[in-house]
Amino acid sequence: QVQLVQSGAEVKKPGASVTVSCKTSGYTFTTSDINWVRQATGQGLEWMGWMNPDSGDTGYAQNFQGRVTMTRNTSIGTAYMELSSLTSDDTAVYYCARAYMTSSFSAVDFWGQGTLVTVSS
Amino acid sequence: AIQMTQSPSSLSASVGDRVTITCRASQGIRNDLGWYQVKPGKAPKLLIYAASTLQSGVPSRFSGSGSGTEFTLTISSLQPEDFATYYCLQDFKYPLAFGQGTKVDIK
Repeated sequence: QVQLVQSGAEVKKPGASVTVSCKTSGYTFTTSDINWVRQATGQGLEWMGWMNPDSGDTGYAQNFQGRVTMTRNTSIGTAYMELSSLTSDDTAVYYCARAYMTSSFSAVDFWGQGTLVTVSS
Repeated sequence: AIQMTQSPSSLSASVGDRVTITCRASQGIRNDLGWYQVKPGKAPKLLIYAASTLQSGVPSRFSGSGSGTEFTLTISSLQPEDFATYYCLQDFKYPLAFGQGTKVDIK
């Protein structure tokens, strides 16, 4: 069965960086994009960006340009999301999710369990 | 970038009610739209993909319709476990975009 398992909660100081990992299993890692989404307390879902695990190509939401980097290690089927220059506004739960695409449909179907990142001095 | 406008932002309903949520895309997205249910402390759960296809394991009281720019999620008979927040997501092209969410609570 498809699973995405994320790394544990993090507490960071303002100005620091955080890296969240997303280990996949149950499918061929390089065949589906990985997307990252976050949700701050009481707020909606916010799409952050995507990565093609095969090519390493990435695309980031304008709000995160210059602060986010998405990478992968294909040998262990794991994706990473690094967010830098953290502020209290970055306190949120971060999710990775698989974007499954065929010639006839697409679906962001399986999600990680979420990683709480708290930014506090 | 494509923008998604979801309505209403919240609604109150009773068990057994029929509930309808709408999403409008700022440009045509074929049928590349998903609907998600979010409960506190849980990851989003895919309910509907390709606008109208029920994800495996999702109860048949959930249904989706629409194409192009107008989409609808319907819950035919609201159950206690359905009180949650619902989001649409366009996956037609990057950057992806969510609707603002609809919180369904108990009347």
